[in-house]
Amino acid sequence: DTAVSQTPKYLVTQMGNDKSIKCEQNLGHDTMYWYKQDSKKFLKIMFSYNNKELIINETVPNRFSPKSPDKAHLNLHINSLELGDSAVYFCASSPFSGGETDTQYFGPGTRLTVL
Amino acid sequence: GNSVTQMEGPVTLSEEAFLTINCTYTATGYPSLFWYVQYPGEGLQLLLKATKADDKGSNKGFEATYRKETTSFHLEKGSVQVSDSAVYFCALIAGGTSYGKLTFGQGTILTVHP
Repeated sequence: DTAVSQTPKYLVTQMGNDKSIKCEQNLGHDTMYWYKQDSKKFLKIMFSYNNKELIINETVPNRFSPKSPDKAHLNLHINSLELGDSAVYFCASSPFSGGETDTQYFGPGTRLTVL
Repeated sequence: GNSVTQMEGPVTLSEEAFLTINCTYTATGYPSLFWYVQYPGEGLQLLLKATKADDKGSNKGFEATYRKETTSFHLEKGSVQVSDSAVYFCALIAGGTSYGKLTFGQGTILTVHP
């Protein structure tokens, strides 16, 4: 029944490591997103994909590389992790092309802690 | 650029009190406006939305009216419950080619005591 799922839920790793977070949606939506929530709860969009095509790339360091193997999946790979990458990462999806009336549905989040 | 400003929290209320969380925005074009709620340890859920001026969004006893003249979208509930304790986010998607880029306010923590 899970609409937007993410794995893992928690990720603890050392500085300098490379890690991936996976996201899957079973809603048949066309557009998927990654958001970062910092320690003060502030949320900011990182990327969005529409039918596997990158649409939004919000000035994110190129250590972050999203990959969309198909329109139901959007993974986030992070190279050379830094302390400042510690945050909660949310995946979301929306039915259409992400226009202003397109409701986004969020996953449960992945809490990344970099030591 | 686009931005959303919410009232500073945290907000602490007693059960059955009236709730208002203020939200104002700056945006190009005619944005759609949203309130999302994040319960402890969970992801965000859409609470309500309004896509044009004077629209009222409502859900679970919460309401917000899209006021273009004051660029506001204040969240209200007549009688809060302990289960409403959460973080509330006001957000917008600007009109035109924003491709679903949600711009969020800073969030307001609400705590309701019995």
